[in-house]
Amino acid sequence: GAVVSQHPSRVICKSGTSVKIECRSLDFQATTMFWYRQFPKQSLMLMATSNEGSKATYEQGVEKDKFLINHASLTLSTLTVTSAHPEDSSFYICSAMTGYSYNEQFFGPGTRLTVL
Amino acid sequence: EDQVTQSPEALRLQEGESSSLNCSYTVSGLRGLFWYRQDPGKGPEFLFTLYSAGEEKEKERLKATLTKKESFLHITAPKPEDSATYLCAVQDTGTASKLTFGTGTRLQVML
Repeated sequence: GAVVSQHPSRVICKSGTSVKIECRSLDFQATTMFWYRQFPKQSLMLMATSNEGSKATYEQGVEKDKFLINHASLTLSTLTVTSAHPEDSSFYICSAMTGYSYNEQFFGPGTRLTVL
Repeated sequence: EDQVTQSPEALRLQEGESSSLNCSYTVSGLRGLFWYRQDPGKGPEFLFTLYSAGEEKEKERLKATLTKKESFLHITAPKPEDSATYLCAVQDTGTASKLTFGTGTRLQVML
């Protein structure tokens, strides 16, 4: 149980284009999902917290107009990187809380974004 | 501001050579301390949650312990398949479900 998937696993795009990443909870309903970014040999940095049916809460320094988050259902959250630039290249990981495993977050496999 | 410091940054062990990884933390109030395993190019895999000082949890060759200032992840008789980065994260009572991660310990277990 508590499986989280992400799609795509890897994406390469040109500078200036937008990229959408999907995060799905496969066997549970996730009222809260999280989006993280991880640079090589660095830790996970929380970007935003996403609650189903409401606006995401962004961490300080994260541009909400650049990183659009939509949590349209209890099993799906999407992150759209708008007008991507090379500095947005990173490993993006989502996580979800099950609601019955107290405070535990289960992570997706990650999406490697490369902006040329 | 919550802080998590993990040491060592990297650790190389021979198969069967037991050791411990350290996670020191600073929070205003600890809701939970979490250990994750992360393989290269993958998302973190949940290992343990510890909630109060004195608590211990075990899973196969891994044992996690918690004090008021730090947590240890003890690895007994490691095998090459235990090679990974081990991440520690804390959850503060004042910041809802947010996790603050350390930078991890990269463990390599040699044959």
